[in-house]
Amino acid sequence: NAGVTQTPKFRILKIGQSMTLQCTQDMNHNYMYWYRQDPGMGLKLIYYSVGAGITDKGEVPNGYNVSRSTTEDFPLRLELAAPSQTSVYFCASRRDRGVQPQHFGDGTRLSIL
Amino acid sequence: KNEVEQSPQNLTAQEGEFITINCSYSVGISALHWLQQHPGGGIVSLFMLSSGKKKHGRLIATINIQEKHSSLHITASHPRDSAVYICAAPMYSGGGADGLTFGKGTHLIIQP
Repeated sequence: NAGVTQTPKFRILKIGQSMTLQCTQDMNHNYMYWYRQDPGMGLKLIYYSVGAGITDKGEVPNGYNVSRSTTEDFPLRLELAAPSQTSVYFCASRRDRGVQPQHFGDGTRLSIL
Repeated sequence: KNEVEQSPQNLTAQEGEFITINCSYSVGISALHWLQQHPGGGIVSLFMLSSGKKKHGRLIATINIQEKHSSLHITASHPRDSAVYICAAPMYSGGGADGLTFGKGTHLIIQP
């Protein structure tokens, strides 16, 4: 099992550009999450999903969109990149509700210039 | 919504020392998570505990549910233990699908 795979690992964008951060998991997990990690701060939840076709906002959803068309994939879309979105983005998954560990991808380091 | 506080933020110690990292949270929870983040960024789950104590190798995690406090201990610390250690708790006490609330992390450096 590869676990949670994120692509790309690094990306530089210009202000106003758009891009999609890819996340896929091969553990048949129902719950998936997107977090962002800023220097000196704890990870913050952007969006989450409890299954295909169901998504919900987290703490910091502004400027982002998500979709969940399959159990495996949970892409994060930035429509109009802004410098404030410079961050490291982590995708995570867990099997279902209850006391379950979260499995993290290796992260995507995104810079908006 | 849960608030998670960790201390210390930075810790430098000599090889062999006993290390303690503390975590407190504000809302009753189903389980507390301890995570490790190495340089290069990947995050790995170390422990998930609901009560008492768990041990894995030289790492020990304890939790006091009544005091809403957890500690992570490292015995006989080694330079390879150098990493950021992160405490996390469910965002809300219901323990539903919504994600975790994270502490800011403890940056640990073990010097040879």
